[in-house]
Amino acid sequence: KAGVTQTPRYLIKTRGQQVTLSCSPISGHRSVSWYQQTPGQGLQFLFEYFSETQRNKGNFPGRFSGRQFSNSRSEMNVSTLELGDSALYLCASSLAGTEGGGTQYFGPGTRLLVL
Amino acid sequence: AQSVSQHNHHVILSEAASLELGCNYSYGGTVNLFWYVQYPGQHLQLLLKYFSGDPLVKGIKGFEAEFIKSKFSFNLRKPSVQWSDTAEYFCAVNPRGGGSQGNLIFGKGTKLSVKP
Repeated sequence: KAGVTQTPRYLIKTRGQQVTLSCSPISGHRSVSWYQQTPGQGLQFLFEYFSETQRNKGNFPGRFSGRQFSNSRSEMNVSTLELGDSALYLCASSLAGTEGGGTQYFGPGTRLLVL
Repeated sequence: AQSVSQHNHHVILSEAASLELGCNYSYGGTVNLFWYVQYPGQHLQLLLKYFSGDPLVKGIKGFEAEFIKSKFSFNLRKPSVQWSDTAEYFCAVNPRGGGSQGNLIFGKGTKLSVKP
């Protein structure tokens, strides 16, 4: 089976712009979670989608949003980018989702640099 | 708030040395526990997991971890490390039920450097 894929892999934006990241889960997986990884804060949970519904949300401002499509692919959007949004954004998929105790499998990430 | 602590930020070992990386979590209820590894330039990979049953779990590449409920710990061990084990290791906890969010909570990670 193909793993979790994320596009684009690298992105450079300027402050104030908005960005959309895409994630395709492992075939058959219905849950997609997003995480932000930075050297200072480590890995922090953004949100989880399961069957097109946001099921869990981390402690991030409303500028961070996401959605999931009927084929389980997911996108996350960050509006009005700030310098502090520079990070590696990771997507993870699982069969049951975290509430179902499912194991999450991670993609390679999208590295976002905000100038 | 729930949290995961990894005691060592950076561990340096020589090949064939034994490894133990500490992980403690703060949550009084049922948890699923994971160790993930991130090799240089690669994405996070699952090393091993514990859901229930035997508290000593074995993972890939000779790694194992022991869940000690009374100590809220899930330490990672390997009897003899290799240069190829150089990577960053993350402990993660998934609190279950009781109104928990159910998401994965990660520790800050431990960088392991193995000298050949």
